[in-house]
Amino acid sequence: SQQGEEDPQALSIQEGENATMNCSYKTSINNLQWYRQNSGRGLVHLILIRSNEREKHSGRLRVTLDTSKKSSSLLITASRAADTASYFCATDPFSGGYNKLIFGAGTRLAVHP
Amino acid sequence: GAGVSQTPSNKVTEKGKYVELRCDPISGHTALYWYRQSLGQGPEFLIYFQGTGAADDSGLPNDRFFAVRPEGSVSTLKIQRTERGDSAVYLCASSWELEGEQFFGPGTRLTVL
Repeated sequence: SQQGEEDPQALSIQEGENATMNCSYKTSINNLQWYRQNSGRGLVHLILIRSNEREKHSGRLRVTLDTSKKSSSLLITASRAADTASYFCATDPFSGGYNKLIFGAGTRLAVHP
Repeated sequence: GAGVSQTPSNKVTEKGKYVELRCDPISGHTALYWYRQSLGQGPEFLIYFQGTGAADDSGLPNDRFFAVRPEGSVSTLKIQRTERGDSAVYLCASSWELEGEQFFGPGTRLTVL
C-alpha cells in the first residue's frame, strides 16, 4: 500500500502559469522527496526536504512541509511545456534507518503552450 | 558518468515462465533498491540491498520473487512461475548513503501474457 496521496490527480495549465501539487502522508518521516517521471519510465529526483525544515527552494521549484498536518506542497513557477510529466512525492518513514521510499500515486501535470 | 542501467528495457513472457531482470547501479553506490510500478500508480518498494546483503525484502509480494547482489554491485531480480499480475515496470535505484536522493534507472517493462 502507498502512504502518500497527491492532489490533484491531474492538472492542466497554460505555459507561464504556476502549478501547485499537494501531498499528504500518514506516518512520521525522516524526509520527504519529490520526483518527476516522464512517459512512465525512470524517475528524476527534484528536491528533498527534511522533517525539521519547513520550506525549500530549487530554481523554479518551491517545496513546503507541514509535519503537524502531515502534508507537503510542490510549487512550480512560470511553468513550461517541458514541465509536462507526472510528479510523485515519496516519504522516508521514521523507522528502519534507511531510505525505503513510499510513493504516492502522483499528479499528472500537462502544460500547454 | 553513467547512470543506473537496467536490462532488458522490455520483456514479454508467457505465464508460468521464469524471468531475470538486471540492474547496474552507479559505480560506488552501496545502496540498491528495487521498486515495482503498475500503470497509473507510484512505485512500490520491493527490496533493498546494502552491499551484498538484502537488508529489507519486506516488499517482495511472495516467494516467487527473489533478488541477489552477489558482489555488491549488479543486482538481479528473479521471478519464478510468472503470473499476469506480475506485469508492471520494474525500477531499480541506487544511492550513496542510507538517506537522500535515489538515482533511478529507466526500468524494465515486464509483460506476462
